[in-house]
Amino acid sequence: DQQVKQNSPSLSVQEGRISILNCDYTNSMFDYFLWYKKYPAEGPTFLISISSIKDKNEDGRFTVFLNKSAKHLSLHIVPSQPGDSAVYFCAAKRGSTLGRLYFGRGTQLTVWP
Amino acid sequence: NAGVTQTPKFRVLKTGQSMTLLCAQDMNHEYMYWYRQDPGMGLRLIHYSVGEGTTAKGEVPDGYNVSRLKKQNFLLGLESAAPSQTSVYFCASSYPGPKVDLGYTFGSGTRLTVV
Repeated sequence: DQQVKQNSPSLSVQEGRISILNCDYTNSMFDYFLWYKKYPAEGPTFLISISSIKDKNEDGRFTVFLNKSAKHLSLHIVPSQPGDSAVYFCAAKRGSTLGRLYFGRGTQLTVWP
Repeated sequence: NAGVTQTPKFRVLKTGQSMTLLCAQDMNHEYMYWYRQDPGMGLRLIHYSVGEGTTAKGEVPDGYNVSRLKKQNFLLGLESAAPSQTSVYFCASSYPGPKVDLGYTFGSGTRLTVV
């Protein structure tokens, strides 16, 4: 049973525009959420995270928003750049230590010039 | 810093053969994990370890065994490979406790094909 869902397998955005990647979760016990970025033939790399006590976290061009009541989070990339083209995974955990992460199936983002 | 190193990077096995994938990390992380990535399926946890000498099952453990004899190494074994185990395997490691914002550190993956 998929506890973290990314319902859009792909997203195509023009360079300079905003990219919005969405993620939904079903387990209300999740207390920390992370986004990972993955290029072909490489391992995923940590991008940004947010605690359940916050509703927004920003790091440069990347902002993650959390709506706990809707069990929904989103990653905004502004402005999008061709180098952002990658697969983005949403992940969630529960409990006070990092431990096991539950991953979504990923969204392939393509940023075209 | 090497981070997380996986060997081998590629391997082709015949059905029924066995092999061991090696993961080594030099960050003194307590936790280590093995994931597999399949098209359209995302990352699925096979086994994980919360410390030297400990292992636990993830969501897809069947057909795999693991060992964590040393803190820095986490081995994934396939005793009798099956075509369904064709996948890309990722090892990851992490700190426990309050450093949750650091996330996992992943290796670059092992692409395994079972024919």
